[in-house]
Amino acid sequence: EPEVTQTPSHQVTQMGQEVILRCVPISNHLYFYWYRQILGQKVEFLVSFYNNEISEKSEIFDDQFSVERPDGSNFTLKIRSTKLEDSAMYFCASSGTRLAGYYEQYFGPGTRLTVT
Amino acid sequence: ELKVEQNPLFLSMQEGKNYTIYCNYSTTSDRLYWYRQDPGKSLESLFVLLSNGAVKQEGRLMASLDTKARLSTLHITAAVHDLSATYFCAVDPGAQKLVFGQGTRLTINP
Repeated sequence: EPEVTQTPSHQVTQMGQEVILRCVPISNHLYFYWYRQILGQKVEFLVSFYNNEISEKSEIFDDQFSVERPDGSNFTLKIRSTKLEDSAMYFCASSGTRLAGYYEQYFGPGTRLTVT
Repeated sequence: ELKVEQNPLFLSMQEGKNYTIYCNYSTTSDRLYWYRQDPGKSLESLFVLLSNGAVKQEGRLMASLDTKARLSTLHITAAVHDLSATYFCAVDPGAQKLVFGQGTRLTINP
């Protein structure tokens, strides 16, 4: 069964460094998303991406963040100049064509980012 | 701004008992999802509810949606230890994103 994959599973970085989190969405999907979950808290939407551009973003997704689909398979989240509060689990998700009035999102296993 | 609230946030129950988790949301939507998350793991889709009055059941879990009351419930029947996890509801406001509730951490004791 197709699935969303993410690398790395765990990333440790120092405050102020740049990190790139990578995702490979399900191959025929068209919509891509990033969410984050601070330990013990709820899952928060960051950004959605369609047709090579951002379609929606949250207040969290400020100039520190960027997304890119550099080729036909990868979807990346870049965090410039990481802060301690960026420590969280980051989930990538993808969805395909609209079926029965909704887009079901499939989540990857997550990347745990630890900023020290 | 859409708000999604779950209660209770923590639930400790005994095996064999029944209980209900509630999910309230603040603006109109007819698409609601329930997910399960085990510690350190990703989100596993449980139910997709797409219309008022929708009811879905899988094993000991049953979910329902009342769009007029902006309320969804996840009912657990005769709980077993394997159902211990955190359960999230999420609402699709039609903007290509999901807004999640805070999660309900369910612990089922033998």
